[in-house]
Amino acid sequence: DQQVKQNSPSLSVQEGRISILNCDYTNSMFDYFLWYKKYPAEGPTFLISISSIKDKNEDGRFTVFLNKSAKHLSLHIVPSQPGDSAVYFCAASRRFMNNNDMRFGAGTRLTVKP
Amino acid sequence: DTEVTQTPKHLVMGMTNKKSLKCEQHMGHRAMYWYKQKAKKPPELMFVYSYEKLSINESVPSRFSPECPNSSLLNLHLHALQPEDSALYLCASSQVGEVEKLFFGSGTQLSVL
Repeated sequence: DQQVKQNSPSLSVQEGRISILNCDYTNSMFDYFLWYKKYPAEGPTFLISISSIKDKNEDGRFTVFLNKSAKHLSLHIVPSQPGDSAVYFCAASRRFMNNNDMRFGAGTRLTVKP
Repeated sequence: DTEVTQTPKHLVMGMTNKKSLKCEQHMGHRAMYWYKQKAKKPPELMFVYSYEKLSINESVPSRFSPECPNSSLLNLHLHALQPEDSALYLCASSQVGEVEKLFFGSGTQLSVL
């Protein structure tokens, strides 16, 4: 049972434009959401996160939006750069449970064209 | 040092072999994790250790045996694996209860023949 879903396996955008990556989750007990970025032959690296008490978190070119009623979150990258080309994983956890349990989506491969 | 080091990077083994995957971190993290990732699938949680004690076992078959000998090391012992166990095995670490900052290793790509 996949509790975190990324329905777009790939996304291609032009340099300078906005990239929007989407993620849906099914478990309403999740209270913390994260995005990880993965380059080939490397492990995923933490990018940005958001707590369920917020609906937006911004860090430079990266913004994550959370819609709890729709159980949906999105990552916006503005402006997109070729170095952003990577696989992006959405993840969700039940932080209040303090049990270190985190679930991942299948990933979206972003390609930013020069 | 914010690295999680996994060895080996690649491993090919037969179904009768016994092998071990190793993971090491020196960030003082007391939670360590094993994830399994197959191609085009999400990383799947296998085991979590908190303070060197197994806290989560996601119903993983007994042919996978984790071990946390100290706060810096995490092993995954493999025995009698099946070809379907071929995958990328990722180790991660964090402060206990702070899953928002998981640090991942680059993984071990395992092939079972």
